[in-house]
Amino acid sequence: EAGVTQFPSHSVIEKGQTVTLRCDPISGHDNLYWYRRVMGKEIKFLLHFVKESKQDESGMPNNRFLAERTGGTYSTLKVQPAELEDSGVYFCASSQVSDSYNEQFFGPGTRLTVL
Amino acid sequence: QKEVEQNSGPLSVPEGAIASLNCTYSDRGSQSFFWYRQYSGKSPELIMSIYSNGDKEDGRFTAQLNKASQYVSLLIRDSQPSDSATYLCAVISFTSGTYKYIFGTGTRLKVLA
Repeated sequence: EAGVTQFPSHSVIEKGQTVTLRCDPISGHDNLYWYRRVMGKEIKFLLHFVKESKQDESGMPNNRFLAERTGGTYSTLKVQPAELEDSGVYFCASSQVSDSYNEQFFGPGTRLTVL
Repeated sequence: QKEVEQNSGPLSVPEGAIASLNCTYSDRGSQSFFWYRQYSGKSPELIMSIYSNGDKEDGRFTAQLNKASQYVSLLIRDSQPSDSATYLCAVISFTSGTYKYIFGTGTRLKVLA
C-alpha cells in the first residue's frame, strides 16, 4: 500500500511568486492534515480536511495560504504571494479516523525556500 | 509557553545501551500520545502510541506514560546506529473541533558504534 506522497520535494521561489504544493493521502483516508515546520521550531498544525470539507483551518497563518481538496482525494496548498517567512517544510498527513486515538501517517514533506 | 517540550539534544549513547527520550506536555486533558522517528529528509514514521498510564512495549521500544506528571518517555533498548534519528513526541489536542497533533521540537539521537 502506497504511503502519503507529496510533490514537489523541494521548491525554491522568489518573494512574491506563487507556489502550489500537492499531497496525495493514503487511499481510503478521509482525513487529511497539513502541517509546517519552520527551521528550529516544532511541526505546527495548519488545517484539517474531512473528505473535501475543511474541518479546521485555525492554524493557517494568513489569507495568502489557500488549501483545497476537490473531490476528497488529493489536496493542494497554494501560497500566493510567497513571503520570506513562508520558508520551511510542509508536511501532509492522513488518517482513517479523526477521534482522540487517530494515528496519522506523514508524507516526506515539501521543503519550500523563499528567496 | 510550549505545549509539548523535548530536549533537542543531541543525545549520544553507545551501541547496545538504552536510550531514554523524554517529553512533557501542558494539556492535562490530553489522552493520546505518539512517538515518531524521523530520519533526515524523510517522513516522520510512527513507532509507538500510548493512551493509558504505565508501560507499553513493542520490540526494543518501550513507551511510558504518567498522566499525573504529564510526562511521556520512550526507551530504546540495545540501541543500534540505525536508531540514530530525530524522535518527535506528539500529543493529541482537541481544539476548534479537531483532534490535532501538537508536536515537540524533537530530540536528536546519536548511537555511537
